[in-house]
Amino acid sequence: DSGVTQTPKHLITATGQRVTLRCSPRSGDLSVYWYQQSLDQGLQFLIQYYNGEERAKGNILERFSAQQFPDLHSELNLSSLELGDSALYFCASSVSRTYNEQFFGPGTRLTVL
Amino acid sequence: AQSVTQLGSHVSVSEGALVLLRCNYSSSVPPYLFWYVQYPNQGLQLLLKYTTGATLVKGINGFEAEFKKSETSFHLTKPSAHMSDAAEYFCAVSGYNQAGTALIFGKGTTLSVSS
Repeated sequence: DSGVTQTPKHLITATGQRVTLRCSPRSGDLSVYWYQQSLDQGLQFLIQYYNGEERAKGNILERFSAQQFPDLHSELNLSSLELGDSALYFCASSVSRTYNEQFFGPGTRLTVL
Repeated sequence: AQSVTQLGSHVSVSEGALVLLRCNYSSSVPPYLFWYVQYPNQGLQLLLKYTTGATLVKGINGFEAEFKKSETSFHLTKPSAHMSDAAEYFCAVSGYNQAGTALIFGKGTTLSVSS
């Protein structure tokens, strides 16, 4: 158990809908990262937050957004969902915004029908 | 920019045989290198990491990797494979730069172990 929690574990929804994925980092970790894992794209970095502020952006679509709250939990919002958004979404956390090993949550499997 | 290439999407070994998973990286800043393992329907677990210092790093479950700057490689090895090692393995690179400290992953190598 990495100490990173993600909810829900599974999510099934329809095209055009909006969903919210939630992540709670390990106790004491200030940095949260979101990654998407799909068969065709592999593991891709989406976005990083550090202590409530956006720190870096990767291959995140404009339909996707995220935020980190004062209690350090983070939410990833996916809107206008398309079939191609079906994937495993991981959250990871680390102590600081500079290098530190990242601890991954169990993931949320999103299926868009 | 940073990137990772994992040579071989699938590696098969017999139980007790040497495991060698290959990883080459590209980085414009001093790299931090990682190997993660993913078991079916689970998240990623860190096996080992290289930051600075000793180029041969030891990780969990008997795995080790050697950072070779001249070859831009960070291959993962284990002297004797066990059935429980069957999983997907990801090499990743990171470095503190304008892109933050996100991990850039390779496409993964699936390790199969036969008895």
